[in-house]
Amino acid sequence: DAKTTQPNSMESNEEEPVHLPCNHSTISGTDYIHWYRQLPSQGPEYVIHGLTSNVNNRMASLAIAEDRKSSTLILHRATLRDAAVYYCILSPTGNEKLTFGTGTRLTIIP
Amino acid sequence: GAVVSQHPSRVICKSGTSVKIECRSLDFQATTMFWYRQFPKQSLMLMATSNEGSKATYEQGVEKDKFLINHASLTLSTLTVTSAHPEDSSFYICSAQRGYNYGYTFGSGTRLTVV
Repeated sequence: DAKTTQPNSMESNEEEPVHLPCNHSTISGTDYIHWYRQLPSQGPEYVIHGLTSNVNNRMASLAIAEDRKSSTLILHRATLRDAAVYYCILSPTGNEKLTFGTGTRLTIIP
Repeated sequence: GAVVSQHPSRVICKSGTSVKIECRSLDFQATTMFWYRQFPKQSLMLMATSNEGSKATYEQGVEKDKFLINHASLTLSTLTVTSAHPEDSSFYICSAQRGYNYGYTFGSGTRLTVV
């Protein structure tokens, strides 16, 4: 499985934008970039995913580098409820298993 | 849409007994479901891939005779931890995908404590 690299932790002030980086230099042409987050004592929650183009949904935006070797999850206005561990995962098309790394623990400062 | 329900949310059992955990896709059919385990302060580790109507595929190091998986219908997969021991205490999570254009949906997890 292609591997991703994320910072262990990040902090952000409430109501400010947050940019969570992810490096995936060995990504293959068919790998989708997935982002999930996990709140304490809960199962992971889907955030967003994309292949080549930037993606937006009600939760976040995903900015994918032109060479696809890195991506950034953007939370436009962080709230306290956004405090979680964020996982960046590569997955090929189809119903393939997800391999979780260590993720980034995001702390939101009131 | 794309809801996955997992039960029970918490269970405490005695060492040597078996525990069954259910994972249901409520509003979609899932030919494949996945089972993960998460120890405190660690990431999720995939245990097995559950396939409807066929045998599950286990990850390396996961004992298939200890962690029995049954995927008898398109909306239900079960994980049975047999002869549980304290080291099996963990957070077990299932997931399924509605379709490849969608993300994966996860259950809320089951906290198993073996005493």
